[in-house]
Amino acid sequence: AQSVSQHNHHVILSEAASLELGCNYSYGGTVNLFWYVQYPGQHLQLLLKYFSGDPLVKGIKGFEAEFIKSKFSFNLRKPSVQWSDTAEYFCAVNALRSASKIIFGSGTRLSIRP
Amino acid sequence: DTEVTQTPKHLVMGMTNKKSLKCEQHMGHRAMYWYKQKAKKPPELMFVYSYEKLSINESVPSRFSPECPNSSLLNLHLHALQPEDSALYLCASSQGTSGNLYNEQFFGPGTRLTVL
Repeated sequence: AQSVSQHNHHVILSEAASLELGCNYSYGGTVNLFWYVQYPGQHLQLLLKYFSGDPLVKGIKGFEAEFIKSKFSFNLRKPSVQWSDTAEYFCAVNALRSASKIIFGSGTRLSIRP
Repeated sequence: DTEVTQTPKHLVMGMTNKKSLKCEQHMGHRAMYWYKQKAKKPPELMFVYSYEKLSINESVPSRFSPECPNSSLLNLHLHALQPEDSALYLCASSQGTSGNLYNEQFFGPGTRLTVL
């Protein structure tokens, strides 16, 4: 069965620090990969997605992620975080054999100290 | 229009009540989804509709009854719920469910349900 692991449950950073959130998935076939963000009291928004092509994808608000197939990873990065990045971040995987189902990781809560 | 709308935003109901949650999209998407999200947890898939037909039911109790009246609308009928059913209920839509399509899901803001 597919699964998605986000090993960092809560990350606390100061403004201007660099961010990397880990995401690993277990599925041997072709996958679509996503990072969603949920700001406090708001709904899920797509940060970025990988379907095919360049494994380094750029998303909104200065976020990027790199798909490393050999490591089954899709880590999220941002060079310099802002207080407004405080949110819950979910990695998600969609195996193309079961295209209806998106499996979410458990989420990483990011707190930014001003 | 790239929006999924959900009504109501908040709902409080007793265990004997019958209520419905509504979801609407006008992006021409042919797949629609219901998720349940408890606090500080990821969304959990409940149902998937593809071309207005129920294609996935993730073993959801029968007190939750989905309905897809047309390609733009998705309802979730609630009856005899339990307090542990209190959660944020999210609707989403995507272009399709075929493995060859880019299956990005667009989420609505959710309905926060409290069962007393």
